[in-house]
Amino acid sequence: QKEVEQDPGPLSVPEGAIVSLNCTYSNSAFQYFMWYRQYSRKGPELLMYTYSSGNKEDGRFTAQVDKSSKYISLFIRDSQPSDSATYLCAMPLNSGYSTLTFGKGTMLLVSP
Amino acid sequence: DTGVSQDPRHKITKRGQNVTFRCDPISEHNRLYWYRQTLGQGPEFLTYFQNEAQLEKSRLLSDRFSAERPKGSFSTLEIQRTEQGDSAMYLCASSLALDSGNSDTQYFGPGTRLTVL
Repeated sequence: QKEVEQDPGPLSVPEGAIVSLNCTYSNSAFQYFMWYRQYSRKGPELLMYTYSSGNKEDGRFTAQVDKSSKYISLFIRDSQPSDSATYLCAMPLNSGYSTLTFGKGTMLLVSP
Repeated sequence: DTGVSQDPRHKITKRGQNVTFRCDPISEHNRLYWYRQTLGQGPEFLTYFQNEAQLEKSRLLSDRFSAERPKGSFSTLEIQRTEQGDSAMYLCASSLALDSGNSDTQYFGPGTRLTVL
């Protein structure tokens, strides 16, 4: 079992839809949770960063962490075609918080 | 542009050849990371430096791979005797690690896409 599991998709939605992207993880020691967005043939860019459990909101994006279920989510409201990308969840690999382990990424396609 | 830069962006080589990639991090960042990403997968950690010191290497980093960061600024990743299985996107990231122990934010470069024929 990989440490971080993520459905690869693709997930296709119409413009304006609410999108839910999810990851599960196996290591209960993970404390920091990140979401990266990666456009085709580009490097990943950090979208959201949360610590421990709870919600964090930034504009149209909300990150949610449920440590009891080892489950994290990213919600995108009013999705736009420009949101079409691969979304990767990531967690620090070790207690030094230096290296990240990523999920496979979920490809999101938002059609106009 | 003050982001992470990588050179070259694309490299095509024949099996058995050596290749070298360069990464220039964000100037004030003290940590530099190398990751490898294959199609349909997330990035996988290879190695990282804090200043000049190489602090961690993944089991993925075979003895054909070597990375350096001689002056704590730019870094190079060399692959000797390339194999077709080395074909991937090689990503570099940098961060500013503080003593607080909080996870530091990694900023990624555009990557170098390697194709081994």
